[in-house]
Amino acid sequence: GENVEQHPSTLSVQEGDSAVIKCTYSDSASNYFPWYKQELGKGPQLIIDIRSNVGEKKDQRIAVTLNKTAKHFSLHITETQPEDSAVYFCAASTGNQFYFGTGTSLTVIP
Amino acid sequence: DAGVIQSPRHEVTEMGQEVTLRCKPISGHDYLFWYRQTMMRGLELLIYFNNNVPIDDSGMPEDRFSAKMPNASFSTLKIQPSEPRDSAVYFCASRLQGGPYGYTFGSGTRLTVV
Repeated sequence: GENVEQHPSTLSVQEGDSAVIKCTYSDSASNYFPWYKQELGKGPQLIIDIRSNVGEKKDQRIAVTLNKTAKHFSLHITETQPEDSAVYFCAASTGNQFYFGTGTSLTVIP
Repeated sequence: DAGVIQSPRHEVTEMGQEVTLRCKPISGHDYLFWYRQTMMRGLELLIYFNNNVPIDDSGMPEDRFSAKMPNASFSTLKIQPSEPRDSAVYFCASRLQGGPYGYTFGSGTRLTVV
């Protein structure tokens, strides 16, 4: 099956700086890559996603890039704010089942 | 829509007791997933259903775990008998095949077995 690796496991940045989280996947058939944000005591929430026919997607301060050849994709958060502090999960999917990374705990220091 | 609804939010039970977790998916969604989240293992898929039919239960840890989906608006995950190592947060998620978005997760049930 698919194997998704996510780095780093923890990340601290100063408010206003950028944060980058990277994931790799193993199954070249994976064609959908969502990112989830999980705040304390809540379920993961979809924040952005990208499909394999697109190299980059942006939504305000959040962007995701995909390199199909290298089988890796990244989440970029610019101008970070304290409310961005959370655990972020990447996932890869070939169909209906998602394979999740192990999560990155992001702390934005005011 | 109220989203995916899970109950209870918190459950504390004694080892050996039966535990039942409940989930109401988003109306119209045809896939339902049960996940378990722990610090050590992250998000683990336990089982998923399509149109109320279990498709893949290979993630169910052992026979003590069972899941049902009697209709499109309700699913249960049962643990009998419960053990301390079952302590985790259990999430239910649903999605619509062919829909533009990924899973929608519920708020989870935090299970503590003492």
